[in-house]
Amino acid sequence: SQTIHQWPATLVQPVGSPLSLECTVEGTSNPNLYWYRQAAGRGLQLLFYSVGIGQISSEVPQNLSASRPQDRQFILSSKKLLLSDSGFYLCAAPSVYGYTFGSGTRLTVV
Amino acid sequence: GENVEQHPSTLSVQEGDSAVIKCTYSDSASNYFPWYKQELGKRPQLIIDIRSNVGEKKDQRIAVTLNKTAKHFSLHITETQPEDSAVYFCAASTGTASKLTFGTGTRLQVTL
Repeated sequence: SQTIHQWPATLVQPVGSPLSLECTVEGTSNPNLYWYRQAAGRGLQLLFYSVGIGQISSEVPQNLSASRPQDRQFILSSKKLLLSDSGFYLCAAPSVYGYTFGSGTRLTVV
Repeated sequence: GENVEQHPSTLSVQEGDSAVIKCTYSDSASNYFPWYKQELGKRPQLIIDIRSNVGEKKDQRIAVTLNKTAKHFSLHITETQPEDSAVYFCAASTGTASKLTFGTGTRLQVTL
């Protein structure tokens, strides 16, 4: 079965610092991969998706970027974090059972 | 692109009562409609989904209905229990592997 790994689980970063969140998927090959962000008490906003290695589509303009260096690896990055980047970041992939999500990274920018 | 609206934003019911959450979508090409339950601090978990070739699907106390003509779908929870308390999200996409557009969520509180 498909498993999505995300790390770290929690992160506290100062404004202006860089960011790198990693997502890896097991149990499937060439999956579509998605990064969602959930602000406190809010819904899930799609940030980026990828249909294959090196292929990234951005859904909203922001100071974040994404990369897919390997088939099962999806990375979310920022060169300089803003306070507004705080939130719960979730990696997701479709499966025969529907979308599955990683356990998420709770980012607090201070 | 797709736009999904969800109502109500909060819902309080007494244990044993039914709860209904409604969503509308804008893209007539959408054909896959999952519902997720998210407990505090946890990831969303799929609880039920429906595809556009059916109008209703049921799984024990949970059911989902779909009206493609009106572009709306609903989640029905019967005989609610305290453990049903959570935030529920509806979503829509043009396929099970396509990007999901989520509603804004409904916070369900089941009181004793």
